[in-house]
Amino acid sequence: DSGVTQTPKHLITATGQRVTLRCSPRSGDLSVYWYQQSLDQGLQFLIQYYNGEERAKGNILERFSAQQFPDLHSELNLSSLELGDSALYFCASSVTSELAPDTQYFGPGTRLTVL
Amino acid sequence: GNSVTQMEGPVTLSEEAFLTINCTYTATGYPSLFWYVQYPGEGLQLLLKATKADDKGSNKGFEATYRKETTSFHLEKGSVQVSDSAVYFCALSDRIGGFKTIFGAGTRLFVKA
Repeated sequence: DSGVTQTPKHLITATGQRVTLRCSPRSGDLSVYWYQQSLDQGLQFLIQYYNGEERAKGNILERFSAQQFPDLHSELNLSSLELGDSALYFCASSVTSELAPDTQYFGPGTRLTVL
Repeated sequence: GNSVTQMEGPVTLSEEAFLTINCTYTATGYPSLFWYVQYPGEGLQLLLKATKADDKGSNKGFEATYRKETTSFHLEKGSVQVSDSAVYFCALSDRIGGFKTIFGAGTRLFVKA
């Protein structure tokens, strides 16, 4: 158990809909990362938040957005869903230091199926 | 920009065989290098890491040595078990990249009894 929790575990929805994925980081970790894992694209970094502020952005679509709340949990919002958005979405957390790279701790993932 | 290239899978081995999964990287600075493992139905977890050239990371019988001259970080294990069946990801994190972690495409390993 990594200490990172994600809800829900599975999500099935229709095209055009909007969903919210939730992540609670490990106690003490200030950074939250979101990744998308699909069969054909591998593991794609979407976005990182550090202590409530956006820190790094990857291949995140404009239809997707995220935020990190004062209690450090994070939500990833996916809107106008398309079939191609079906994937596993992982959240990871880390302490984050300016002095050294982090080990990231991954949650179990949310499997999104868009029908 | 920074990138990680790892050998394509799947790799299929018999139990007790020797494992090598190749990983090479491109980075503008002096990155730290990682191997993560993803067991079926789970998230990724750190397997081992090395933070500077010539460092060797090791864990659970797996080893990888940070080779700056060949920009490589190959994963090895002397005798694999069925329980090692998983997807293995090579990754790097570089101060110049803001410590953003870049993952390779992953290599799936199947170990047969």
